[in-house]
Amino acid sequence: GEDVEQSLFLSVREGDSSVINCTYTDSSSTYLYWYKQEPGAGLQLLTYIFSNMDMKQDQRLTVLLNKKDKHLSLRIADTQTGDSAIYFCAESSAGNNRKLIWGLGTSLAVNP
Amino acid sequence: DVKVTQSSRYLVKRTGEKVFLECVQDMDHENMFWYRQDPGLGLRLIYFSYDVKMKEKGDIPEGYSVSREKKERFSLILESASTNQTSMYLCASRSPVANTQYFGPGTRLTVL
Repeated sequence: GEDVEQSLFLSVREGDSSVINCTYTDSSSTYLYWYKQEPGAGLQLLTYIFSNMDMKQDQRLTVLLNKKDKHLSLRIADTQTGDSAIYFCAESSAGNNRKLIWGLGTSLAVNP
Repeated sequence: DVKVTQSSRYLVKRTGEKVFLECVQDMDHENMFWYRQDPGLGLRLIYFSYDVKMKEKGDIPEGYSVSREKKERFSLILESASTNQTSMYLCASRSPVANTQYFGPGTRLTVL
């Protein structure tokens, strides 16, 4: 079946940029998403990108999509301690009834 | 803003009890989802509903059932709770805009 993979952990210093990476296998993906989950909370939609785009920027967040390599990244500029959370990558395609396929999440630790 | 609410943040039940988890969304979305989240396993889809009284099994439906009598409300039912159903349960509602899912705050269920 289709799959989404992410590295499990990332540690950065406050003020640095963070880059969280994701790879996926579904060549018919239509949208790709980044969600953030703080401890004990639900998932919060951060941003999404349509598959015919290669970049999307929203304030401190930059999403890059390499469709050829099926690689998605999320860059957080000037990372703050409040950015410490688990970040999930997900993709959807018409082929799977538009259900989302989820990565396992990357735990981002921001050190002062 | 989309608002998805869940009936309880924390719930403790005994083995064999019937458990109801309720989810309400206020955006008139047709599609709603129930996931469970466990460490190391990510989000796993239990059931989803694409309209009132319409439901479809997800990846792990065993031991669960659902009810969707009204568009805004989607209930997850554990007919006879077991200790392996101790988990974080997350409800989501899907917007037709970019197929984005919006999540409730989650219910942490402990079955003793």
